[in-house]
Amino acid sequence: GENVEQHPSTLSVQEGDSAVIKCTYSDSASNYFPWYKQELGKRPQLIIDIRSNVGEKKDQRIAVTLNKTAKHFSLHITETQPEDSAVYFCAATFGNEKLTFGTGTRLTIIP
Amino acid sequence: SAVISQKPSRDICQRGTSLTIQCQVDSQVTMMFWYRQQPGQSLTLIATANQGSEATYESGFVIDKFPISRPNLTFSTLTVSNMSPEDSSIYLCSVRGRPNSYEQYFGPGTRLTVT
Repeated sequence: GENVEQHPSTLSVQEGDSAVIKCTYSDSASNYFPWYKQELGKRPQLIIDIRSNVGEKKDQRIAVTLNKTAKHFSLHITETQPEDSAVYFCAATFGNEKLTFGTGTRLTIIP
Repeated sequence: SAVISQKPSRDICQRGTSLTIQCQVDSQVTMMFWYRQQPGQSLTLIATANQGSEATYESGFVIDKFPISRPNLTFSTLTVSNMSPEDSSIYLCSVRGRPNSYEQYFGPGTRLTVT
């Protein structure tokens, strides 16, 4: 089955700087890669996703890149703000199969 | 995205008892899932709730311990049976809505504490 590794487990960045979280997956058939943000005590929230037919997708300050050859994808947050502090999870799946989640990255934005 | 509600939002239960968690969606969805999330951990899939048939359980989870129902396309229940303190966790319902859409959304979760 699919295996997703996520790094780093914790990340602290100065407000205004960029943050990058990286994930690798094992199943070359995987074709859908979502990212979730989970604030303390809240549900995971889908913030951005990418399908395997594109290499990059942007939504305001967040972007996701995908390298199918290397089987890794990354979340990029620019101009970080205090409200970006949360735990971020990557995931991967093929079609309508179950999502396989990474272990999570706790992002702290330092004012 | 679909609006997902769960009941109860939290509960404190005695060991040996059972709790049934309800998940209601405001629109018909193709797939419904149940997850467990331990404090500070990632999301662990318990099972996929299948409409009109038995749920599909992941390794380590069994129907006798976590019976699941899904009578229609908008509702599902998860029961945590014969609870022990190790069952203390957050239980999350999750759904995929439209056919050919892979987007998956989560309910607000049920925080369960077993004493």
